[in-house]
Amino acid sequence: RKEVEQDPGPFNVPEGATVAFNCTYSNSASQSFFWYRQDCRKEPKLLMSVYSSGNEDGRFTAQLNRASQYISLLIRDSKLSDSATYLCVVTGRGSGTYKYIFGTGTRLKVLA
Amino acid sequence: DGGITQSPKYLFRKEGQNVTLSCEQNLNHDAMYWYRQDPGQGLRLIYYSQIVNDFQKGDIAEGYSVSREKKESFPLTVTSAQKNPTAFYLCASSTTGSGANVLTFGAGSRLTVL
Repeated sequence: RKEVEQDPGPFNVPEGATVAFNCTYSNSASQSFFWYRQDCRKEPKLLMSVYSSGNEDGRFTAQLNRASQYISLLIRDSKLSDSATYLCVVTGRGSGTYKYIFGTGTRLKVLA
Repeated sequence: DGGITQSPKYLFRKEGQNVTLSCEQNLNHDAMYWYRQDPGQGLRLIYYSQIVNDFQKGDIAEGYSVSREKKESFPLTVTSAQKNPTAFYLCASSTTGSGANVLTFGAGSRLTVL
């Protein structure tokens, strides 16, 4: 089982739709959680950190469920510019190091 | 503006050649990382460094080497021993305190072996 798993998609949604992605992680000791956005042939950029109580940033809402070991990202009122790959990132400590573990990403296409 | 600069953006290499990818940051971050990204795969860690003059192997270090002589700089050498070097290479940095330390990436270097 991969340490971090995401549905690769693509998720094809019309403009204005609400779309949700899940990401599961295997290490119950994981400490920090993030969603990154990556455009084609570009570097990943931080979309939002994910806090235990859940957090919202405009049209984006992130949730953490430690009991079931998954995080989610909800995008409301999708825009064409939201088309990208969304990477789930989980951190934890292993062998005394601070390690970031990336999912393979979920591809979103917002259609006009 | 603070950030991470990677160069070159595109690089072509003949088989058997070593190449060095540059990574410089002015964010005053202690930790720096090199990742490799291949199509359809997640980012894989090559090397990381948490302090100057110290670095550790990541998951796929074979065929690569690094140095960390200055806090700002973490160059990666792709040696001829790396069997499949064609990939997108990403340098990143972060703080190392307690709590959520966000990774910041450079724009990447795309290496193609001819």
